[in-house]
Formats: sequence, C-alpha cells, structure tokens
Amino acid sequence: SQTIHQWPATLVQPVGSPLSLECTVEGTSNPNLYWYRQAAGRGLQLLFYSVGIGQISSEVPQNLSASRPQDRQFILSSKKLLLSDSGFYLCAWKPLPVLNTEAFFGQGTRLTVV
Amino acid sequence: AQTVTQSQPEMSVQEAETVTLSCTYDTSENNYYLFWYKQPPSRQMILVIRQEAYKQQNATENRFSVNFQKAAKSFSLKISDSQLGDTAMYFCAFMRGETSGSRLTFGEGTQLTVNP
Repeated sequence: SQTIHQWPATLVQPVGSPLSLECTVEGTSNPNLYWYRQAAGRGLQLLFYSVGIGQISSEVPQNLSASRPQDRQFILSSKKLLLSDSGFYLCAWKPLPVLNTEAFFGQGTRLTVV
Repeated sequence: AQTVTQSQPEMSVQEAETVTLSCTYDTSENNYYLFWYKQPPSRQMILVIRQEAYKQQNATENRFSVNFQKAAKSFSLKISDSQLGDTAMYFCAFMRGETSGSRLTFGEGTQLTVNP
C-alpha cells in the first residue's frame, strides 16, 4: 500500500533562518506531488506541484522554493524565512496518470516563524 | 482558472440530525472531478466522497451523499445521522480530468460542529 511521510510535524524558526520540509511517498512510482499551505481556519493554497524528477511548477510568487531530487521525494525550502511564511504546510500525492482518483495528504507541518 | 466557493463558514447540527453543506464552482472544463475532504482537529485531510462530472448519478458513501447539479455548477454534501466524530472542517475541491499535473483547487471550508 502507498504511504506518505512528511516531517517535521512542528517547527519553530526565527525570521531569516533557512527552511527545509521533506515529503516522501512509498509504494508507488512517478506520482504527482504537491505542496499546499493552509492559513489558520482557511482553505488550502497550492504552492508547488511536480509531475516528475526536477519538474517543478510554482503557483504563486513567494519566498519559498521546491525541489524533487528523487521520484518520490519532494522538498520545500526557503533561504530566509519571513513572518508571513508561518502556517500549516501539507504535502500530497496523486497517482499518475490514473484517472478517477483523489490526492492523498501527509499529516502536515505546523511552521511558526518568530 | 477554476474557483470553488463555500458560502457557509460555520454550521452546526444536532447529533443524529441531517445537515447539508453547500459548494459551488466555476469552470469551463467539461471533464473534471469534485471532492469533499474532511479535516478534523488533527488536521489530517481525509477524503469523504468524490464525484466524476461525467456521471449523472450522485455519489454516496454510507451516511454521506452529494447533490451534484452540473448545469448549476453546484456540489453539496449531505451528512445523515450526524455523529460527534463528524465535527471537522469540510472542504470542497475541484480537479481537472485527464491532464498531467492536475491539482486540487479548494474552497475556503465550512466548519461543522455536531452538538450532543
């Protein structure tokens, strides 16, 4: 069966520090991978998605970047965090190109920038 | 671009009662999928139900059912026999079909509270 791992679960970082959040998927190959951010009590905003190794699409301009060094690994990074980067970050995957399927989510990372 | 609108930020229902959450969407696509996700206090996103746009029959999963009105671009979720464990944020989501890189577009969510 497929599983998705996302870590860390919580993170408190000072302004200006770097960020690295990691997400890995097991039990599948060549998945679509996604990074979403959720502000408190709000919906999910898509930040990045990837259809393959090294292929990253950005949905919104921001202080963050994403990389996909391996087929089932997706990393969200920042060189210098801003206060506005605080939020709940969710990684998700979807089988490719299987139709009629939803995205599966990791358990999320709560990031607080202080 | 697709948009998803949930006009009810908060709703409450008594245990064992029925509640309906509303969702409308805007798209020019003809092939797409719609989903309802549930996010309990743990914040884990859990799929509740999905609907293929090409299917006229409304999807049903146990106590959960949808009313899919394609022409009106409406996709409401009905929860029957509400249980305390149904308390969660519910998100409506849209996904284009048959394209690489299809991603989910979410509404702003409806916080549902089931009262004992």
